[in-house]
Amino acid sequence: EVQLVESGGGLVQPGGSLRLSCAASRFTFSNYAMSWVRQAPGKGLEWVSTISGTGISTYYTDSVKGRFTISRDNSKSTLFLQMNSLRGEDTAIYYCAKDIRHDYWGQGTLVTVSS
Amino acid sequence: EIVLTQSPGTLSLSPGERATLSCRASQSVSINYLAWYQQKPGQAPRLLIYGASGRATGIPDRFSGSGSGTDFTLTISRLEPEDFAVYFCQQYGRSPYTFGQGTKLESK
Repeated sequence: EVQLVESGGGLVQPGGSLRLSCAASRFTFSNYAMSWVRQAPGKGLEWVSTISGTGISTYYTDSVKGRFTISRDNSKSTLFLQMNSLRGEDTAIYYCAKDIRHDYWGQGTLVTVSS
Repeated sequence: EIVLTQSPGTLSLSPGERATLSCRASQSVSINYLAWYQQKPGQAPRLLIYGASGRATGIPDRFSGSGSGTDFTLTISRLEPEDFAVYFCQQYGRSPYTFGQGTKLESK
């Protein structure tokens, strides 16, 4: 079965940076768009970003444009999210999800932005 | 941006009953690219329905989706104990790919 494993979360100060990774396996990674979705504590789901299978096309929610960058390494079946200028409101569990319809999800990695 | 509004916010039903959850979009959803997810506490969401009415792999046939344009419905025909959870809809037809705020399905 498809496996997605996120890593890279942690505690960071406001204004800091983090790079999340999502290691994918058991499917042809380059054939699928991939997304990041986040969930603040006790809140609903928020779509963050999507990247096409080739990596050419990227999409972001307005609140992270200019601060976050999604990328992928198809040779290593890995998805990334570079997060800069982090704010308190970025505190959330970050999930990676396969395909535009999010048919498989990882277990999530917690990002906490606090001084 | 397409805003998705889910109703009701909380639905209290008993096992064996039928559940009807609504998701209304502020604009027409392209090609009915509307998905439904189930999330239980401490777990990642799970895809139930895609393309408004397509059942995802391994999803029991008591779950069904319907609708088009701006009005969509998730129906659970006969509730099982494991169905009590939070349900989210999402449109993935036009960026930003927005989610609804969720409906909590609780056991009466």
